[in-house]
Amino acid sequence: AQKITQTQPGMFVQEKEAVTLDCTYDTSDQSYGLFWYKQPSSGEMIFLIYQGSYDEQNATEGRYSLNFQKARKSANLVISASQLGDSAMYFCAMRPKNQGGKLIFGQGTELSVKP
Amino acid sequence: NAGVTQTPKFQVLKTGQSMTLQCAQDMNHEYMSWYRQDPGMGLRLIHYSVGAGITDQGEVPNGYNVSRSTTEDFPLRLLSAAPSQTSVYFCASSSRSGAGERNEQFFGPGTRLTVL
Repeated sequence: AQKITQTQPGMFVQEKEAVTLDCTYDTSDQSYGLFWYKQPSSGEMIFLIYQGSYDEQNATEGRYSLNFQKARKSANLVISASQLGDSAMYFCAMRPKNQGGKLIFGQGTELSVKP
Repeated sequence: NAGVTQTPKFQVLKTGQSMTLQCAQDMNHEYMSWYRQDPGMGLRLIHYSVGAGITDQGEVPNGYNVSRSTTEDFPLRLLSAAPSQTSVYFCASSSRSGAGERNEQFFGPGTRLTVL
């Protein structure tokens, strides 16, 4: 079965430090997409970063980067220089092969940034 | 562009009542989806659609119906509300994905539903 696992229910980080949020996935597909979304306390879902299974380079979007290790089936999110506004829930999600419109989400990690 | 809109924002129902959650998008996206989010859990897919007239079940479809008569709209119907359907409901849309294409899902603001 296809599954996303986020093993860190909650994380704390000091402002301006970097933090890594873990995500592992399970699929037998060769082609798939991996996403990270942020959900602040206001509730909206904000797209952060995408990694395709065939991408050889790790994805980066500003302060966000994705540490993609395909053989280990992990797709960890790295946030550099944390800011107070980064405090939120973070979800890792997978889009299976040829199943646009379908995302499988992990349970999320709640990140708190301390001043 | 308004993006993905959902109505209502909040709703309280009694057990056994029916209602329709509305979702619309103005981005001409082919794919639309409904998710529910319960405390301590990630989002779970209820139903999704790959185009007008085509829908399919997700992980938790029981108790919900959908139809897609237009590209823009994808309503979710609760047939006979139960307390277990108390949740936050998100609608999302995305464009058709080729292999390796990003085409992230855009989410609506959510509907918070309470069933008493």
